[in-house]
Amino acid sequence: GQQLNQSPQSMFIQEGEDVSMNCTSSSIFNTWLWYKQDPGEGPVLLIALYKAGELTSNGRLTAQFGITRKDSFLNISASIPSDVGIYFCAGQKGSQGNLIFGKGTKLSVKP
Amino acid sequence: DADVTQTPRNRITKTGKRIMLECSQTKGHDRMYWYRQDPGLGLRLIYYSFDVKDINKGEISDGYSVSRQAQAKFSLSLESAIPNQTALYFCATSDFHGTSFPGELFFGEGSRLTVL
Repeated sequence: GQQLNQSPQSMFIQEGEDVSMNCTSSSIFNTWLWYKQDPGEGPVLLIALYKAGELTSNGRLTAQFGITRKDSFLNISASIPSDVGIYFCAGQKGSQGNLIFGKGTKLSVKP
Repeated sequence: DADVTQTPRNRITKTGKRIMLECSQTKGHDRMYWYRQDPGLGLRLIYYSFDVKDINKGEISDGYSVSRQAQAKFSLSLESAIPNQTALYFCATSDFHGTSFPGELFFGEGSRLTVL
């Protein structure tokens, strides 16, 4: 099946550091989304991107839809302990296509 | 109360047993999904339904079946469980006609299944 390559697989950082993760694909997507899964819970949408080149922020989070439509990145600035969790990128083709998820980036934050 | 509720939250069973995981939602969404999460493999789609009587296979449907009993209920069955079906299972909903972000899925809290 189609795959999204998400990296890094895991990160161990100190509180206050900035974090960057990205997703790449060999296919073009019309929508990129970033989800976060807190320990013991289901994923929750953080940011949705609908236009190539779009840069969107949500508090300390910033995400971009790559100009080629084949990639996206997520940055977290000044990390805090509650940023711990697994971050998933997801791509969607068209308005009705099912989401294709990346394998996730597991973030650990040391206080 | 959660908008998307999964039962049971945890289940341990033996190889060959029949298992049903249930999902109910109070969001009024038309679309429902079952995903499987394995460490390092992300979320993979098992089955999805766009409405009652509409059932579609996802990426990894072999060994699973589903039933959409009503708009609010979508159950996943393992007819004869095997150890490699040990995983965390998520139900999700989406609202194509509503006000949520296009592509946004609303997940339940997950059902952890262990097959011995």
